[in-house]
Amino acid sequence: DVKVTQSSRYLVKRTGEKVFLECVQDMDHENMFWYRQDPGLGLRLIYFSYDVKMKEKGDIPEGYSVSREKKERFSLILESASTNQTSMYLCASSLGRGGGTSGANVLTFGAGSRLTVL
Amino acid sequence: AQSVTQLGSHVSVSEGALVLLRCNYSSSVPPYLFWYVQYPNQGLQLLLKYTTGATLVKGINGFEAEFKKSETSFHLTKPSAHMSDAAEYFCAVSVLKAAGNKLTFGGGTRVLVKP
Repeated sequence: DVKVTQSSRYLVKRTGEKVFLECVQDMDHENMFWYRQDPGLGLRLIYFSYDVKMKEKGDIPEGYSVSREKKERFSLILESASTNQTSMYLCASSLGRGGGTSGANVLTFGAGSRLTVL
Repeated sequence: AQSVTQLGSHVSVSEGALVLLRCNYSSSVPPYLFWYVQYPNQGLQLLLKYTTGATLVKGINGFEAEFKKSETSFHLTKPSAHMSDAAEYFCAVSVLKAAGNKLTFGGGTRVLVKP
């Protein structure tokens, strides 16, 4: 089974701090994603990456950046944390485009990182 | 742009009763559709997915969903609820980008199962 590991399950940070959320997958997946989960809003895509050193903005990228220096690792960075970034953050990975049904590639999720910004 | 609407943020069912979770989508191209489940303090895991072909899709734990193009719906059902089905359920539609797919999720439906 693919494993997606998020380094921190719970974090508490102060407003203005720089925050790093780390995600590692162990099955050589090309694609990696960062979602934010809030009650009633479901999951919203922050950033995704199709390859090393490549990134694309999702639906809510403001206030976030990402880094993908190695294929297995995808980091989410909050340059200056704010209280409205208090949320659950979910990392996911999937196979890349490799065939006609790649649009149906399943995302495998990590357990999530719950961030509280005070 | 693709979007997903799940009707009802909370559903309460009795153990043994039918579970019905509603999902409607919009997509400019034929969609790939998914249902994911999230148990407490866990990440999401796949229940089932629709790609092409048979419109009735069977998933894990006795769940199934039917793709109805005319209604742009992909409702999830289970004939008989079990206590272990208490979780949050997310419907999602896939968009195929240049190098892979990107999922857009609905707002989620939390299921409570009463004994």
